[in-house]
Amino acid sequence: AQSVTQLGSHVSVSEGALVLLRCNYSSSVPPYLFWYVQYPNQGLQLLLKYTTGATLVKGINGFEAEFKKSETSFHLTKPSAHMSDAAEYFCAVRKGNNDMRFGAGTRLTVKP
Amino acid sequence: EPEVTQTPSHQVTQMGQEVILRCVPISNHLYFYWYRQILGQKVEFLVSFYNNEISEKSEIFDDQFSVERPDGSNFTLKIRSTKLEDSAMYFCASSSDAGSNQPQHFGDGTRLSIL
Repeated sequence: AQSVTQLGSHVSVSEGALVLLRCNYSSSVPPYLFWYVQYPNQGLQLLLKYTTGATLVKGINGFEAEFKKSETSFHLTKPSAHMSDAAEYFCAVRKGNNDMRFGAGTRLTVKP
Repeated sequence: EPEVTQTPSHQVTQMGQEVILRCVPISNHLYFYWYRQILGQKVEFLVSFYNNEISEKSEIFDDQFSVERPDGSNFTLKIRSTKLEDSAMYFCASSSDAGSNQPQHFGDGTRLSIL
């Protein structure tokens, strides 16, 4: 069965610092992986997705993630954090044609 | 850009009452979903819907829950007799086709508060 694990429920970085949010997946078949962001009192917004092809995928707001099959990871990074990046980030794996399985989420705090 | 819209944004209901949460998916999408997020917890899958029938549901989606697509645009979640533990954010999502590589597009959610 597909599932994802996000390491670290809370990550705090300084403005301008590297952002690294970790996600590991388990899947019996090639996975389709997604990162979503949730700003306070809002819904889930797609940041990026990995399906097939290039393992480094670029998303919105300067985020990118690299699919590493050998490590079963799909970590989210951004070279330089901005105050507006403060939000909850969810890694997810698509299970067949139906539901998404979400990680527990990582709350990103950006300090000035 | 087309988006999923949900109404109301906040619903307050007495325990035991019925509640209907409404969603308008993106117009050319065919697959519809409901998720729930209890405060401080992860987003949990409730149900998926395709071709006017439920295609999958989780253990959370018991007999108190039902979904319906009453017309060509709305997709509703009904909770027949609400319980305190039903208090949560409920998100509707839709996707364009059957491919697992297609992302689901989410609405902003309805905050359901059961008193």
